[in-house]
Amino acid sequence: DTGVSQDPRHKITKRGQNVTFRCDPISEHNRLYWYRQTLGQGPEFLTYFQNEAQLEKSRLLSDRFSAERPKGSFSTLEIQRTEQGDSAMYLCASSLTDYGYTFGSGTRLTVV
Amino acid sequence: AQSVTQLGSHVSVSEGALVLLRCNYSSSVPPYLFWYVQYPNQGLQLLLKYTSAATLVKGINGFEAEFKKSETSFHLTKPSAHMSDAAEYFCAVTLGNNFNKFYFGSGTKLNVKP
Repeated sequence: DTGVSQDPRHKITKRGQNVTFRCDPISEHNRLYWYRQTLGQGPEFLTYFQNEAQLEKSRLLSDRFSAERPKGSFSTLEIQRTEQGDSAMYLCASSLTDYGYTFGSGTRLTVV
Repeated sequence: AQSVTQLGSHVSVSEGALVLLRCNYSSSVPPYLFWYVQYPNQGLQLLLKYTSAATLVKGINGFEAEFKKSETSFHLTKPSAHMSDAAEYFCAVTLGNNFNKFYFGSGTKLNVKP
Protein backbone atom coordinates (compact mmCIF):
# COMPACT_ATOMS: atom_id res chain seq x y z
CA ASP A 1 0.00 0.00 0.00
CA THR A 2 1.72 3.10 -1.24
CA GLY A 3 -0.65 5.86 -0.21
CA VAL A 4 -4.15 7.20 0.24
CA SER A 5 -6.42 6.36 -2.66
CA GLN A 6 -9.47 8.37 -3.67
CA ASP A 7 -12.13 7.46 -6.18
CA PRO A 8 -13.25 8.90 -8.50
CA ARG A 9 -10.63 11.49 -9.44
CA HIS A 10 -13.21 13.62 -11.19
CA LYS A 11 -16.99 13.79 -10.96
CA ILE A 12 -19.36 15.96 -12.94
CA THR A 13 -22.94 15.94 -11.75
CA LYS A 14 -26.12 17.87 -12.32
CA ARG A 15 -27.44 20.08 -9.59
CA GLY A 16 -29.77 18.18 -7.32
CA GLN A 17 -28.14 14.80 -7.83
CA ASN A 18 -26.48 12.78 -5.08
CA VAL A 19 -22.79 11.88 -5.25
CA THR A 20 -20.59 9.57 -3.20
CA PHE A 21 -16.81 9.60 -2.94
CA ARG A 22 -14.59 6.87 -1.56
CA CYS A 23 -11.31 7.08 0.30
CA ASP A 24 -9.01 4.15 1.06
CA PRO A 25 -6.46 5.18 3.68
CA ILE A 26 -3.05 3.68 4.28
CA SER A 27 -3.93 0.31 5.78
CA GLU A 28 -2.39 0.72 9.22
CA HIS A 29 -3.63 4.29 9.73
CA ASN A 30 -6.41 4.54 12.29
CA ARG A 31 -7.22 8.22 11.68
CA LEU A 32 -9.00 9.48 8.59
CA TYR A 33 -9.90 13.03 7.64
CA TRP A 34 -11.92 14.79 4.95
CA TYR A 35 -11.13 18.30 3.77
CA ARG A 36 -12.66 20.51 1.08
CA GLN A 37 -10.59 22.83 -1.08
CA THR A 38 -12.16 25.48 -3.26
CA LEU A 39 -10.33 27.31 -6.01
CA GLY A 40 -7.70 29.66 -4.65
CA GLN A 41 -8.12 28.56 -1.07
CA GLY A 42 -6.44 26.23 1.35
CA PRO A 43 -8.14 23.03 2.46
CA GLU A 44 -10.92 23.37 5.04
CA PHE A 45 -11.60 20.70 7.63
CA LEU A 46 -14.82 18.73 7.20
CA THR A 47 -14.66 15.72 9.49
CA TYR A 48 -12.40 13.30 11.34
CA PHE A 49 -12.64 9.59 12.17
CA GLN A 50 -10.66 7.58 14.63
CA ASN A 51 -11.21 3.99 13.61
CA GLU A 52 -14.95 3.81 12.87
CA ALA A 53 -15.97 6.62 15.19
CA GLN A 54 -16.68 10.05 13.72
CA LEU A 55 -15.23 12.27 16.44
CA GLU A 56 -15.53 15.73 14.98
CA LYS A 57 -17.55 17.47 12.28
CA SER A 58 -17.20 20.97 10.94
CA ARG A 59 -20.23 23.23 10.65
CA LEU A 60 -19.34 23.21 6.94
CA LEU A 61 -20.72 19.68 6.92
CA SER A 62 -24.37 20.58 6.45
CA ASP A 63 -27.18 18.08 6.73
CA ARG A 64 -26.75 17.32 3.03
CA PHE A 65 -23.31 15.87 3.77
CA SER A 66 -22.70 12.55 5.47
CA ALA A 67 -19.52 10.59 6.01
CA GLU A 68 -19.02 7.05 7.16
CA ARG A 69 -16.15 4.76 7.93
CA PRO A 70 -17.57 1.29 8.45
CA LYS A 71 -15.24 -1.11 10.24
CA GLY A 72 -12.59 1.59 10.48
CA SER A 73 -11.25 0.94 7.01
CA PHE A 74 -12.32 2.88 3.90
CA SER A 75 -14.54 5.93 4.17
CA THR A 76 -17.30 7.41 2.04
CA LEU A 77 -18.45 10.99 1.77
CA GLU A 78 -21.93 11.51 0.35
CA ILE A 79 -23.44 14.78 -0.77
CA GLN A 80 -27.18 14.83 -1.29
CA ARG A 81 -29.03 17.31 -3.51
CA THR A 82 -25.81 18.84 -4.81
CA GLU A 83 -25.59 22.59 -5.30
CA GLN A 84 -23.20 24.58 -7.45
CA GLY A 85 -21.47 25.79 -4.30
CA ASP A 86 -20.44 22.20 -3.60
CA SER A 87 -18.03 22.31 -6.55
CA ALA A 88 -14.59 21.80 -5.03
CA MET A 89 -11.75 19.36 -4.53
CA TYR A 90 -12.52 16.88 -1.76
CA LEU A 91 -9.36 15.66 -0.09
CA CYS A 92 -8.97 12.65 2.13
CA ALA A 93 -6.02 12.15 4.46
CA SER A 94 -4.97 9.51 6.95
CA SER A 95 -2.49 9.28 9.79
CA LEU A 96 -1.27 6.91 12.44
CA THR A 97 0.73 9.17 14.69
CA ASP A 98 0.09 12.70 15.74
CA TYR A 99 2.49 14.20 13.25
CA GLY A 100 1.19 15.20 9.86
CA TYR A 101 -1.11 13.55 7.41
CA THR A 102 -0.75 11.66 4.16
CA PHE A 103 -3.14 13.16 1.65
CA GLY A 104 -4.77 11.48 -1.30
CA SER A 105 -4.91 13.11 -4.71
CA GLY A 106 -8.47 14.25 -4.19
CA THR A 107 -11.80 14.04 -5.98
CA ARG A 108 -12.68 17.08 -8.03
CA LEU A 109 -16.44 17.67 -8.04
CA THR A 110 -18.09 19.90 -10.62
CA VAL A 111 -21.81 20.62 -10.21
CA VAL A 112 -23.44 21.91 -13.39
CA ALA B 1 -8.76 30.48 17.85
CA GLN B 2 -6.22 29.23 15.33
CA SER B 3 -5.51 30.79 11.96
CA VAL B 4 -2.79 31.16 9.39
CA THR B 5 -2.02 34.10 7.12
CA GLN B 6 0.15 33.68 4.07
CA LEU B 7 1.38 36.97 2.68
CA GLY B 8 1.48 37.02 -1.10
CA SER B 9 -0.78 34.75 -3.08
CA HIS B 10 1.80 34.69 -5.90
CA VAL B 11 5.59 34.82 -5.65
CA SER B 12 7.89 34.80 -8.65
CA VAL B 13 11.64 34.15 -8.47
CA SER B 14 14.36 33.40 -10.95
CA GLU B 15 15.97 29.97 -11.04
CA GLY B 16 18.84 29.96 -8.56
CA ALA B 17 17.43 32.80 -6.48
CA LEU B 18 16.35 32.67 -2.85
CA VAL B 19 12.83 31.50 -2.16
CA LEU B 20 10.98 33.13 0.76
CA LEU B 21 7.35 32.30 1.43
CA ARG B 22 5.77 34.03 4.40
CA CYS B 23 3.48 32.54 7.02
CA ASN B 24 2.15 34.12 10.21
CA TYR B 25 -0.02 32.23 12.65
CA SER B 26 -2.41 32.90 15.44
CA SER B 27 -2.88 30.30 18.13
CA SER B 28 -4.22 30.33 21.67
CA VAL B 29 -1.96 27.44 22.64
CA PRO B 30 1.58 26.48 21.58
CA PRO B 31 1.25 25.71 17.90
CA TYR B 32 2.45 22.89 15.78
CA LEU B 33 3.20 24.25 12.32
CA PHE B 34 3.53 22.63 8.93
CA TRP B 35 4.33 23.46 5.33
CA TYR B 36 2.76 21.46 2.52
CA VAL B 37 3.32 21.61 -1.23
CA GLN B 38 0.67 20.92 -3.85
CA TYR B 39 1.34 20.27 -7.51
CA PRO B 40 -1.51 20.72 -10.03
CA ASN B 41 -4.30 18.19 -9.63
CA GLN B 42 -2.48 16.49 -6.78
CA GLY B 43 -2.95 16.14 -3.06
CA LEU B 44 -0.75 17.85 -0.52
CA GLN B 45 2.73 16.61 0.33
CA LEU B 46 4.38 17.38 3.66
CA LEU B 47 7.52 19.51 3.30
CA LEU B 48 8.39 20.01 6.95
CA LYS B 49 6.93 20.38 10.43
CA TYR B 50 7.62 22.23 13.68
CA THR B 51 6.57 20.32 16.78
CA SER B 52 8.22 22.28 19.62
CA ALA B 53 11.71 20.89 19.20
CA ALA B 54 14.36 22.82 17.24
CA THR B 55 13.13 26.17 15.97
CA LEU B 56 14.97 25.78 12.65
CA VAL B 57 13.37 22.92 10.80
CA LYS B 58 14.80 21.27 7.71
CA GLY B 59 12.53 19.56 5.24
CA ILE B 60 12.61 17.80 1.92
CA ASN B 61 13.92 19.24 -1.35
CA GLY B 62 16.24 21.73 0.42
CA PHE B 63 13.49 23.71 2.13
CA GLU B 64 13.69 24.92 5.70
CA ALA B 65 11.60 27.08 8.01
CA GLU B 66 12.25 28.91 11.24
CA PHE B 67 9.73 29.20 14.05
CA LYS B 68 9.85 32.67 15.61
CA LYS B 69 7.50 32.93 18.53
CA SER B 70 8.07 36.65 19.07
CA GLU B 71 7.02 37.34 15.49
CA THR B 72 4.40 34.54 15.33
CA SER B 73 5.99 33.54 12.06
CA PHE B 74 7.04 30.34 10.29
CA HIS B 75 8.49 31.47 6.97
CA LEU B 76 9.64 28.94 4.39
CA THR B 77 12.96 29.41 2.62
CA LYS B 78 15.18 27.72 0.08
CA PRO B 79 18.58 29.14 -0.87
CA SER B 80 18.37 28.36 -4.58
CA ALA B 81 15.16 27.84 -6.53
CA HIS B 82 14.78 25.06 -9.07
CA MET B 83 12.23 24.95 -11.87
CA SER B 84 10.71 21.88 -10.19
CA ASP B 85 9.84 24.00 -7.13
CA ALA B 86 7.03 25.71 -9.05
CA ALA B 87 3.90 24.69 -7.15
CA GLU B 88 1.48 25.97 -4.53
CA TYR B 89 2.61 26.04 -0.92
CA PHE B 90 0.37 25.92 2.12
CA CYS B 91 1.19 26.74 5.71
CA ALA B 92 -0.92 25.00 8.36
CA VAL B 93 -1.33 25.11 12.13
CA THR B 94 -2.84 22.67 14.55
CA LEU B 95 -3.75 22.94 18.23
CA GLY B 96 -1.08 21.96 20.72
CA ASN B 97 -0.92 18.20 20.57
CA ASN B 98 -4.38 17.75 19.12
CA PHE B 99 -3.77 16.74 15.54
CA ASN B 100 -7.40 16.22 14.73
CA LYS B 101 -7.80 19.39 12.72
CA PHE B 102 -5.44 21.52 10.66
CA TYR B 103 -6.06 25.15 9.76
CA PHE B 104 -4.54 25.99 6.40
CA GLY B 105 -3.55 29.32 4.91
CA SER B 106 -4.89 30.32 1.52
CA GLY B 107 -1.68 29.30 -0.21
CA THR B 108 1.16 30.91 -2.17
CA LYS B 109 1.78 29.99 -5.78
CA LEU B 110 5.48 29.95 -6.54
CA ASN B 111 6.57 30.65 -10.10
CA VAL B 112 10.19 29.96 -11.05
CA LYS B 113 11.51 31.79 -14.09
CA PRO B 114 14.34 30.33 -16.18
